[in-house]
Amino acid sequence: GENVEQHPSTLSVQEGDSAVIKCTYSDSASNYFPWYKQELGKRPQLIIDIRSNVGEKKDQRIAVTLNKTAKHFSLHITETQPEDSAVYFCAASRPQGAQKLVFGQGTRLTINP
Amino acid sequence: KAGVTQTPRYLIKTRGQQVTLSCSPISGHRSVSWYQQTPGQGLQFLFEYFSETQRNKGNFPGRFSGRQFSNSRSEMNVSTLELGDSALYLCASSPTGGKDGELFFGEGSRLTVL
Repeated sequence: GENVEQHPSTLSVQEGDSAVIKCTYSDSASNYFPWYKQELGKRPQLIIDIRSNVGEKKDQRIAVTLNKTAKHFSLHITETQPEDSAVYFCAASRPQGAQKLVFGQGTRLTINP
Repeated sequence: KAGVTQTPRYLIKTRGQQVTLSCSPISGHRSVSWYQQTPGQGLQFLFEYFSETQRNKGNFPGRFSGRQFSNSRSEMNVSTLELGDSALYLCASSPTGGKDGELFFGEGSRLTVL
């Protein structure tokens, strides 16, 4: 069935450094790839998303890249700040099924001051 | 605009009981999805409702069911509770479903089964 693998499960970086989280999906029909951030005790919130007709998307300090051939997509956070500490989830979904997200297992990102 | 509202926020049940969770989507949103979040399995899709019809379903047993009302509010029910049903149940709404990607999550209902 559909599966999304996410690595690493935990990531610790120094404030100001960059962080990269990688995901691999199995369903070649997937065309929508969002990233959600969940702070401790809070709801998941969308931080960036990308569709399969685009290779890269940027929004200030965060960027997502997609390699459809390899079925990989990655989240890049530059100039990390303490408020970036959270659990990040990648996800994938098929056309006309954007609500049926298959999530990765999550990456706990810790920014060390 | 008010966000997605879920009730109750916390509840404790015993094995064999049933539970009903409620979700009020953002005003104007017609699609409501439910997810189960556990430390071991992460976030897993339960089902999605759009215009009172179940449009998608995840791989959960028939003990998990849901419905959507004409005002887009949704409920999910879990019957014959098992210990493994202990989880955070998240509801998410989106405007129309389909191509519109962003899901707006509620704070969740944390269910503990003893």
